[in-house]
Amino acid sequence: KAGVTQTPRYLIKTRGQQVTLSCSPISGHRSVSWYQQTPGQGLQFLFEYFSETQRNKGNFPGRFSGRQFSNSRSEMNVSTLELGDSALYLCASSLGRQNEKLFFGSGTQLSVL
Amino acid sequence: GEDVEQSLFLSVREGDSSVINCTYTDSSSTYLYWYKQEPGAGLQLLTYIFSNMDMKQDQRLTVLLNKKDKHLSLRIADTQTGDSAIYFCAERGTGGYNKLIFGAGTRLAVHP
Repeated sequence: KAGVTQTPRYLIKTRGQQVTLSCSPISGHRSVSWYQQTPGQGLQFLFEYFSETQRNKGNFPGRFSGRQFSNSRSEMNVSTLELGDSALYLCASSLGRQNEKLFFGSGTQLSVL
Repeated sequence: GEDVEQSLFLSVREGDSSVINCTYTDSSSTYLYWYKQEPGAGLQLLTYIFSNMDMKQDQRLTVLLNKKDKHLSLRIADTQTGDSAIYFCAERGTGGYNKLIFGAGTRLAVHP
């Protein structure tokens, strides 16, 4: 069974640009969550999607948005990039029930110059 | 508020046991998790424990939970160089589902 797949693996953007990251969950998983990992703030929850609906949201500005498609694949978008958005963005998938194990992808490393 | 704390660094000799400690704040957390992250990689779920358990053993890994003190530990027996990584403790945040609150991570260095 294939794991969680995130593309691209690396991205370099400049301030003010926007970026879209993609996540394909494990087959059969309906929940996709996104996390940001930085050296300063550690791992922080961005949002979770289940059956194409945002089910939970962290404390990030509106520049961070996401969506989920009917095949459970998810995209995350960051508009008007800032230097502080440089981070490893991790996606996790699960079946979507309470108190489940989350399985993470390898992440997308975003560098904002 | 929700917070998870871990010591930042642990150095052990190959073959010894490693003990990584974690404290959490949300007493209503039903599951607590340990994840491993190797350089340049995502998070790998190592093990988890349900809050009504005191201990869980899984091969070389032993998780101890002291719910009264909100203290969680991960013991790795016979630590190997391949165990060198960052270990994250996590609790489920309020709002349920898949919002996890992570500690800052403990960097485990295994030397010969």
